[in-house]
Amino acid sequence: DTAVSQTPKYLVTQMGNDKSIKCEQNLGHDTMYWYKQDSKKFLKIMFSYNNKELIINETVPNRFSPKSPDKAHLNLHINSLELGDSAVYFCASSPGPTNEKLFFGSGTQLSVL
Amino acid sequence: GDSVTQMEGPVTLSEEAFLTINCTYTATGYPSLFWYVQYPGEGLQLLLKATKADDKGSNKGFEATYRKETTSFHLEKGSVQVSDSAVYFCALRLSGSARQLTFGSGTQLTVLP
Repeated sequence: DTAVSQTPKYLVTQMGNDKSIKCEQNLGHDTMYWYKQDSKKFLKIMFSYNNKELIINETVPNRFSPKSPDKAHLNLHINSLELGDSAVYFCASSPGPTNEKLFFGSGTQLSVL
Repeated sequence: GDSVTQMEGPVTLSEEAFLTINCTYTATGYPSLFWYVQYPGEGLQLLLKATKADDKGSNKGFEATYRKETTSFHLEKGSVQVSDSAVYFCALRLSGSARQLTFGSGTQLTVLP
């Protein structure tokens, strides 16, 4: 069983559309994250939730809205997609917010045309 | 702010060659240091870590030593294999805080048979 699974793996869409990426972890972890990896492979934290509560919210446009229905799920909804949103988005989890070992999903490659 | 600088890739080596991937950091406190590896089509996974000066992290034949005097954490392996082909990320985190990992930009390694 995949520990951290995210869907879809690939997402191609037009500018202006709204899309969602789903993430689920079956590790029993309390903390989940969304990272964005740009075309140069640079990884940046976007959000972090601990037990369904938002604990990290980096400077991300408010078109991006994370939602955590329970601590095993952290979904990412993006409104009014822009060309610059094209990237690979990684979900991750850890036992707690200060735990240093993150478990990553395999990524969602978003292409905005 | 905290930052991590890695040598730019891509790095291409023949099997059994010696590997060094340089990593230096800037931090306001005393960070823990990490190497994560991303195999093709997968998410990142923790390779090794070191939590204080002069500690050596090691795993799967890879090693890195925390050098406070040079603010470095270079990754080394004495004899690489084709299966080591991946992207390698250096990262830091201020110990004991809820702050997220700060990643470098990644170094692509390709090992040829």
